[in-house]
Amino acid sequence: DAGVTQSPTHLIKTRGQQVTLRCSPKSGHDTVSWYQQALGQGPQFIFQYYEEEERQRGNFPDRFSGHQFPNYSSELNVNALLLGDSALYLCASSPGPASSYNSPLHFGNGTRLTVT
Amino acid sequence: AQKITQTQPGMFVQEKEAVTLDCTYDTSDPSYGLFWYKQPSSGEMIFLIYQGSYDQQNATEGRYSLNFQKARKSANLVISASQLGDSAMYFCAMRGESGSGNTPLVFGKGTRLSVIA
Repeated sequence: DAGVTQSPTHLIKTRGQQVTLRCSPKSGHDTVSWYQQALGQGPQFIFQYYEEEERQRGNFPDRFSGHQFPNYSSELNVNALLLGDSALYLCASSPGPASSYNSPLHFGNGTRLTVT
Repeated sequence: AQKITQTQPGMFVQEKEAVTLDCTYDTSDPSYGLFWYKQPSSGEMIFLIYQGSYDQQNATEGRYSLNFQKARKSANLVISASQLGDSAMYFCAMRGESGSGNTPLVFGKGTRLSVIA
């Protein structure tokens, strides 16, 4: 049973560039959430996708956008990269639209983005 | 709004001893769930244990148990018989059920646990 997979594992970009991160959810899960984890901090919620639509969004600028495909996989796009966007980006999946509040999220290993 | 507070940036424990990691929370949601995750240096967030706001008994999962005190809004993680492999960051998190649906998972800043041989 494949868990949540993310690609790439590491990425180095230059300020001002654009980046796309990819995520495949755990088998049987159809909801994908993205989190940003800055160094020394807990993960911060970016947004959640279900049925190919953004359902919830955290306090992140429009430079952060996403997409969900019919096979439930998802992409996170960040435009006009800033040095402060350097972080570990975690993808998490769950069954159903946030399923129940008592359902844990299953996370991938993350993509470590470095902006120089 | 929901908030998780973890006041211990770092903890040390001797191998085979028990350790308690503190977590307090704040929410106005009528129903909510509390979670603990482990994050090794590899980066993956590993789900450890869950406690529901209406659960009467404290959750247990192998060597992990959750000391849930609803009136004090605390949900401390207890790890018994610590092992060297327990060295990692530990995050307390919660999500709730508001009138508009389920809220996103909110994390604390984490506690770095180091197990000493």
